[in-house]
Amino acid sequence: DAGVIQSPRHEVTEMGQEVTLRCKPISGHNSLFWYRQTMMRGLELLIYFNNNVPIDDSGMPEDRFSAKMPNASFSTLKIQPSEPRDSAVYFCASSLADLESETQYFGPGTRLLVL
Amino acid sequence: DQQVKQNSPSLSVQEGRISILNCDYTNSMFDYFLWYKKYPAEGPTFLISISSIKDKNEDGRFTVFLNKSAKHLSLHIVPSQPGDSAVYFCAASASEGVGGNTPLVFGKGTRLSVIA
Repeated sequence: DAGVIQSPRHEVTEMGQEVTLRCKPISGHNSLFWYRQTMMRGLELLIYFNNNVPIDDSGMPEDRFSAKMPNASFSTLKIQPSEPRDSAVYFCASSLADLESETQYFGPGTRLLVL
Repeated sequence: DQQVKQNSPSLSVQEGRISILNCDYTNSMFDYFLWYKKYPAEGPTFLISISSIKDKNEDGRFTVFLNKSAKHLSLHIVPSQPGDSAVYFCAASASEGVGGNTPLVFGKGTRLSVIA
């Protein structure tokens, strides 16, 4: 299995521009999570989906952030307009809910720098 | 308010010795705990987990211990190897049962350095 795939791996943009991060979860997984890692706050949840339905977006910082999951194999996280404080590493993770495990598998992350 | 705390930001251990990484949590609803390992420029990699119905889980050189009454868990690596040098994250979740997973709450990580 290819694991969780994220693109792009790196993104440098200017303040005010729109940024779109993409994620392909592991095939067959029914839960998808977006996390952000910063030095100050560590790894924190932004939003998660179960069976393509957003369950909790309380971690999304502001209305500038939005996420979609149009189907089981694809999700996007969009920031519009981007600001320098959005600079961080954004991780996507997926899991399969079952009785035995709730293990989440992470992608390699997208390192975002907003100038 | 941090629900999952890793109070040691770093730890150095000699190769061949035991590494013990500690984690404390405050939310009594947490019932599933995981350890992840992270190398620079990579995503966290799942290492080992434990359900709250157990107090120990072992996988090769890695053992996780859970003390529910103290709300404390630890990861033991023995013997430690230079390739174990990475940042280790403790994570916890409060499951909602079959049908959907719940997010993980992470500690801030402990950087382990295994010295040859």
